[in-house]
Amino acid sequence: GQQLNQSPQSMFIQEGEDVSMNCTSSSIFNTWLWYKQDPGEGPVLLIALYKAGELTSNGRLTAQFGITRKDSFLNISASIPSDVGIYFCAGRPNAGNNRKLIWGLGTSLAVNP
Amino acid sequence: GAVVSQHPSWVICKSGTSVKIECRSLDFQATTMFWYRQFPKQSLMLMATSNEGSKATYEQGVEKDKFLINHASLTLSTLTVTSAHPEDSSFYICSARGLAHSYEQYFGPGTRLTVT
Repeated sequence: GQQLNQSPQSMFIQEGEDVSMNCTSSSIFNTWLWYKQDPGEGPVLLIALYKAGELTSNGRLTAQFGITRKDSFLNISASIPSDVGIYFCAGRPNAGNNRKLIWGLGTSLAVNP
Repeated sequence: GAVVSQHPSWVICKSGTSVKIECRSLDFQATTMFWYRQFPKQSLMLMATSNEGSKATYEQGVEKDKFLINHASLTLSTLTVTSAHPEDSSFYICSARGLAHSYEQYFGPGTRLTVT
């Protein structure tokens, strides 16, 4: 099925560094969602975006809905060890069956204390 | 708010038996629930979408007779893996969406199924 291009696939950073990851699509999306998944757990919603250009923060996390409506990015500032996990983007396409989400393949984040 | 529970959190069963997994929205009414399967270090794979009181919509390649989904109420959906085989071993996760949540999905903690 359709998937989003999410990059980078993995990151290994030092505690305190900022992190940036993004998702791109070949088609227009109406909604972008960012989730974090810890091992053996279900994904947890971090930020939801609904309008092109929208910039939303959740603590040290900031996400933006690209103005082309084909991309979104997530930034984490001043990373800490508990930021470790897999981050997924998910989007709702403008066309087709838009009840379901299309998922990125995830960005695995490792933080060195 | 928007808490989803899943039970059991893990289960081991023998080949040929059936296993039922429950997904409950605890503090909201879920008009739509989704069932996903996830293999190690991979993304979520949608299996089916269910709306309360109607038949589930299965994704291409997912056998509806093998993965029975029932969404009998606005707070409960069940997934039954029938005649389980070792290749059905996986991490199964449900999510729920309510009218107040637009297109946001809230996930349960997942169920680890191991078929021996």
